Amino acid sequence: EAGVVQSPRYKIIEKKQPVAFWCNPISGHNTLYWYLQNLGQGPELLIRYENEEAVDDSQLPKDRFSAERLKGVDSTLKIQPAELGDSAVYLCASSPAGGDEQYFGPGTRLTVT
Amino acid sequence: AQSVTQPDIHITVSEGASLELRCNYSYGATPYLFWYVQSPGQGLQLLLKYFSGDTLVQGIKGFEAEFKRSQSSFNLRKPSVHWSDAAEYFCAVSDRTDKLIFGTGTRLQVFP
Repeated sequence: EAGVVQSPRYKIIEKKQPVAFWCNPISGHNTLYWYLQNLGQGPELLIRYENEEAVDDSQLPKDRFSAERLKGVDSTLKIQPAELGDSAVYLCASSPAGGDEQYFGPGTRLTVT
Repeated sequence: AQSVTQPDIHITVSEGASLELRCNYSYGATPYLFWYVQSPGQGLQLLLKYFSGDTLVQGIKGFEAEFKRSQSSFNLRKPSVHWSDAAEYFCAVSDRTDKLIFGTGTRLQVFP
């Protein structure tokens, strides 16, 4: 069984530029999560999807961050414009319906210069 | 509000020595508790979890954890550490709504 796939693995951009991250969850998993992990910190939830619906986006900075999961499968997280403080690792995770374990992808390390 | 405290930022042990990583949580009811491990450049992998029942939980890679309600703790243990155990370890708590709250992590270094 393939795990959670994320791309790109690394991204370097200049501040004020847009950036997008892609996540493909484990097949059949209807719940998808995006987490932000700052250096030396644990992951923090940005947004959670149940199929196509964003059921918890309370921690997503909506002025510059957006996310979508149009067909209830893969998802894209976008930042526009990026700021220096956005440098971090962005993790995607998925879980099956009724499941109690989240399966994490390897993450995208973003560096904003 | 829920919170997780991992008091040890960095721990160094010799290979073959025993290990205990501390985790304290704050939550009004009985929480769901998790330990994850993150190797460099990798995502988080679940080591073990506690929902209810036996307070001593066995996980993968020879790890175990004990839930102590009176101390609000869920410490991770391993009797004999291997060099491959060097990684970052995260304790997490859930309020049963799929929302995980993570601690700040403990970096484990293993000397040969």
